[in-house]
Amino acid sequence: GAGVSQSPSNKVTEKGKDVELRCDPISGHTALYWYRQSLGQGLEFLIYFQGNSAPDKSGLPSDRFSAERTGGSVSTLTIQRTQQEDSAVYLCASSSTGKNIQYFGAGTRLSVL
Amino acid sequence: DAKTTQPPSMDCAEGRAANLPCNHSTISGNEYVYWYRQIHSQGPQYIIHGLKNNETNEMASLIITEDRKSSTLILPHATLRDTAVYYCIVRTPLINDYKLSFGAGTTVTVRA
Repeated sequence: GAGVSQSPSNKVTEKGKDVELRCDPISGHTALYWYRQSLGQGLEFLIYFQGNSAPDKSGLPSDRFSAERTGGSVSTLTIQRTQQEDSAVYLCASSSTGKNIQYFGAGTRLSVL
Repeated sequence: DAKTTQPPSMDCAEGRAANLPCNHSTISGNEYVYWYRQIHSQGPQYIIHGLKNNETNEMASLIITEDRKSSTLILPHATLRDTAVYYCIVRTPLINDYKLSFGAGTTVTVRA
């Protein structure tokens, strides 16, 4: 079956512009996660959605970052007024109910010039 | 999460078994051992996990010592495509223990 799909795979933007990153989780997976990975660094948790519960936004680095998940499926991560320090690979993962195994997409490489 | 210790790097010959060690001496009774890997420029990939019994799937085998203080991931017939950073982590399988974090991992290079 299809894995986690993220788009775009690469995004180059100018400082100050807004960007939207999309994640299509594995069909039927109720949990969805966003992480950020800077060059040569580990995973940085951003946000977690589980079913209809309120999301855990504790990892969002600033109020410029927001995410939504419509219909319990597709999720969009929005970064407003991008800064150069936002440059990183943004990874999305999903998991099914009762299984704490996260399946990752290939990521979106964001470059802010 | 309990701390894990892995060698920073190792080489393996193509076609041979790769044995990746991991120490987790402070693991708790309800924590599992998980392995992920990350191939260059790709997202992390789940490999296998286990509690105390040895586990095997289509990708690898996981051998956990009886005292659970260490484990070994075995790639039975390494290929060039297995070149990646391998991460050993210990965490509970509870759905609310969801924030993954990786240490430095082991950089495995498979050579022809």
